[in-house]
Amino acid sequence: NAGVTQTPKFQVLKTGQSMTLQCAQDMNHNSMYWYRQDPGMGLRLIYYSASEGTTDKGEVPNGYNVSRLNKREFSLRLESAAPSQTSVYFCASKRVLNTEAFFGQGTRLTVV
Amino acid sequence: ELKVEQNPLFLSMQEGKNYTIYCNYSTTSDRLYWYRQDPGKSLESLFVLLSNGAVKQEGRLMASLDTKARLSTLHITAAVHDLSATYFCAVDMGGGADGLTFGKGTHLIIQP
Repeated sequence: NAGVTQTPKFQVLKTGQSMTLQCAQDMNHNSMYWYRQDPGMGLRLIYYSASEGTTDKGEVPNGYNVSRLNKREFSLRLESAAPSQTSVYFCASKRVLNTEAFFGQGTRLTVV
Repeated sequence: ELKVEQNPLFLSMQEGKNYTIYCNYSTTSDRLYWYRQDPGKSLESLFVLLSNGAVKQEGRLMASLDTKARLSTLHITAAVHDLSATYFCAVDMGGGADGLTFGKGTHLIIQP
């Protein structure tokens, strides 16, 4: 099993450009998440999707949009990238409450 | 707002020694998770603690949860170099929101 797969692994954007980070899981999990990790900050939740067809804001949603395309896929879009969005982005999924989340390998995004 | 505080944030120790990482959180919760992250890598689930008094052990690591004190500990016994990593605790957000709130992480270096 591949688990949680993110693409791309690395990306450099210019300020104002847009891009979509892709995430897919093959574990038949209901819930999916996008986090960002900044040095010394731990991980912070951007958006989550508790089930197919639903999405909700997390702790730091500004500047991002998401789409839960189907049960497997959850994408994160930056409409107009800003240097403050330079970060490592992790997608995660879990089956139900009370279980651990599984994380993808991360996307290292730099906005110049 | 849920806050999760880990201490210490940085720990350098010698092989063979014992040490404890502490995780305090600010709201009632009986679900706490420990993760490990190696440099440039994803997060790996270590322990899932789901009730007051829960204790789990894997090799030289043991985690416990005291929901009354809102405290979890990760104890390292007879540390070895391979345990060098960053360790995160995380708590379910609760309040109708899905997702985890993470501590800032403990960067652990174990020297031969």
